[in-house]
Amino acid sequence: GAVVSQHPSWVICKSGTSVKIECRSLDFQATTMFWYRQFPKQSLMLMATSNEGSKATYEQGVEKDKFLINHASLTLSTLTVTSAHPEDSSFYICSARFSSYNEQFFGPGTRLTVL
Amino acid sequence: GQQVMQIPQYQHVQEGEDFTTYCNSSTTLSNIQWYKQRPGGHPVFLIQLVKSGEVKKQKRLTFQFGEAKKNSSLHITATQTTDVGTYFCAGRSGGSNYKLTFGKGTLLTVNP
Repeated sequence: GAVVSQHPSWVICKSGTSVKIECRSLDFQATTMFWYRQFPKQSLMLMATSNEGSKATYEQGVEKDKFLINHASLTLSTLTVTSAHPEDSSFYICSARFSSYNEQFFGPGTRLTVL
Repeated sequence: GQQVMQIPQYQHVQEGEDFTTYCNSSTTLSNIQWYKQRPGGHPVFLIQLVKSGEVKKQKRLTFQFGEAKKNSSLHITATQTTDVGTYFCAGRSGGSNYKLTFGKGTLLTVNP
């Protein structure tokens, strides 16, 4: 299957700082990328959908000014958690799909801990 | 908005026993997908069902899509310890953004 990478795999930061997470599709061009958040022992909650070159579509309740998404190319999307607080600590997972298939290919996830 | 409910939340079985998880959507789905997430890992795509009443098999796994395209099930025959993980269903209700709504998942543990 297609490979999606995420960087970093884990990050610990102080409250008030910003953290950038990268999501890359390594062997295909992703027409759409998705960002999810997963709290311990819970399901994946979609945060936003992004298409290359256009603004991301955020799910209800997700602050677009706090979770900045940039999808500059067909192989790279970034999620920046601005002014992170302890309640933002979570597992952030991206996924990507390309036009021919409906399935989503998930990255390995980034575990964010905000102190 | 669309809701996808999945039961049971947890299931513990003895190795060799069968296992089933059920998924129910509040709206008619265009397709449903199943993913498996191992402990500490990320979701991995298993299969997609599109047609009403569709049944697909992958070795010991059997996937079904209901006639009304609102429910689905995953059945594992003769579980093995390698089956341990959380199984998620994810439904798509149409549109062009390919957004999936995930169920809460069923955590399967297998006693050897």
